[in-house]
Amino acid sequence: AQKVTQAQTEISVVEKEDVTLDCVYETRDTTYYLFWYKQPPSGELVFLIRRNSFDEQNEISGRYSWNFQKSTSSFNFTITASQVVDSAVYFCALSEAPGTNAGKSTFGDGTTLTVKP
Amino acid sequence: ETGVTQTPRHLVMGMTNKKSLKCEQHLGHNAMYWYKQSAKKPLELMFVYNFKEQTENNSVPSRFSPECPNSSHLFLHLHTLQPEDSALYLCASSPTLAGGPYEQYFGPGTRLTVT
Repeated sequence: AQKVTQAQTEISVVEKEDVTLDCVYETRDTTYYLFWYKQPPSGELVFLIRRNSFDEQNEISGRYSWNFQKSTSSFNFTITASQVVDSAVYFCALSEAPGTNAGKSTFGDGTTLTVKP
Repeated sequence: ETGVTQTPRHLVMGMTNKKSLKCEQHLGHNAMYWYKQSAKKPLELMFVYNFKEQTENNSVPSRFSPECPNSSHLFLHLHTLQPEDSALYLCASSPTLAGGPYEQYFGPGTRLTVT
């Protein structure tokens, strides 16, 4: 069985601060995929990143960066110089390798990020 | 461009009504999903369809009945719902290709209120 834990339910920061959202996962598979999604107040989840279990390189996309560490089963997400528009609920998700569960993702409970001006 | 559309966006129904939610994806994907999002359980997978075949039913009560006539359309038929079924219902789609699973693309959701 797979499980995703986002221990931070809510985070509040002031604009321009850096913030890290934690994600810890559990799986028995050696091949799996990790995702982050953003859900702004409008409600529609937006895909941010997909990472497979064999690629432990960190990734940076503008103000966003992701740190994947298999040794600690974590896939953390950092926003640098946060902005008010970053306010949203962020979900981490895990999918195991294709098979009977192809396409099925397990989502964490989400972290609500509020960035104050 | 709106890849995944859902109608209606808001729905209020009584417990004895029958209604349907519609989802359409314009992305050429072969997998489609229904999720329920409520305050108590942020994102619950309900059903998965792959090439029009149901591959996952996450112990969903029979008052929710999905239908997938083709890879682009997904319906959720509702009947004799309970107030606790009030939630945001999200539809999503994803490619089914070698090298997956791939990310899901979500619609804006239908906000359902059961009175």
